[in-house]
Amino acid sequence: SAVISQKPSRDICQRGTSLTIQCQVDSQVTMMFWYRQQPGQSLTLIATANQGSEATYESGFVIDKFPISRPNLTFSTLTVSNMSPEDSSIYLCSVGLRSKGNEQFFGPGTRLTVL
Amino acid sequence: QKEVEQDPGPLSVPEGAIVSLNCTYSNSAFQYFMWYRQYSRKGPELLMYTYSSGNKEDGRFTAQVDKSSKYISLFIRDSQPSDSATYLCAMRNSGGYQKVTFGTGTKLQVIP
Repeated sequence: SAVISQKPSRDICQRGTSLTIQCQVDSQVTMMFWYRQQPGQSLTLIATANQGSEATYESGFVIDKFPISRPNLTFSTLTVSNMSPEDSSIYLCSVGLRSKGNEQFFGPGTRLTVL
Repeated sequence: QKEVEQDPGPLSVPEGAIVSLNCTYSNSAFQYFMWYRQYSRKGPELLMYTYSSGNKEDGRFTAQVDKSSKYISLFIRDSQPSDSATYLCAMRNSGGYQKVTFGTGTKLQVIP
């Protein structure tokens, strides 16, 4: 499997500010995904980020609120913009590995608290 | 009704017990079924994945899929305190990349 790292691991932010979360993979991958995990809820897919194309957002998530970059095959960022307390959550990136049947492998997550 | 239903627990068992974790689903198009383990303050870790119906065994873990009943299970034999974690079921359609639908997770505690 791939080694996936995320920065920051946690942060506490003020309402109205933005935070950019980085996801780094130790090998080249085509498919990267961003999820949100809130207490008591299942993982919710925010968007799919493939290198060389615009991110594809799921229903309920928009680019203005969650802009994503995917400059190369090993790196992606997710920005949470104009934050409110409702954005407090764990944000996870994952990658799909063809060598593992296209199953997804997750990073350690970023724990975000918005005050 | 959610596409995937999973009892959130918590489930507490003594060390050495056999643990049964289950999920039901409503989408008959799901073909791939996965189990993830998530320790506190960590990302989900892929434990097992199976295609279509049947059983798959890996050490102390057995994954079982019954597509006719839309029911999947994960059995843990000889449970250990280190198995204490949240277990998430997940599933998707077949064919290249397909969106994965996750259960909410079952929190398991194995008591020494």
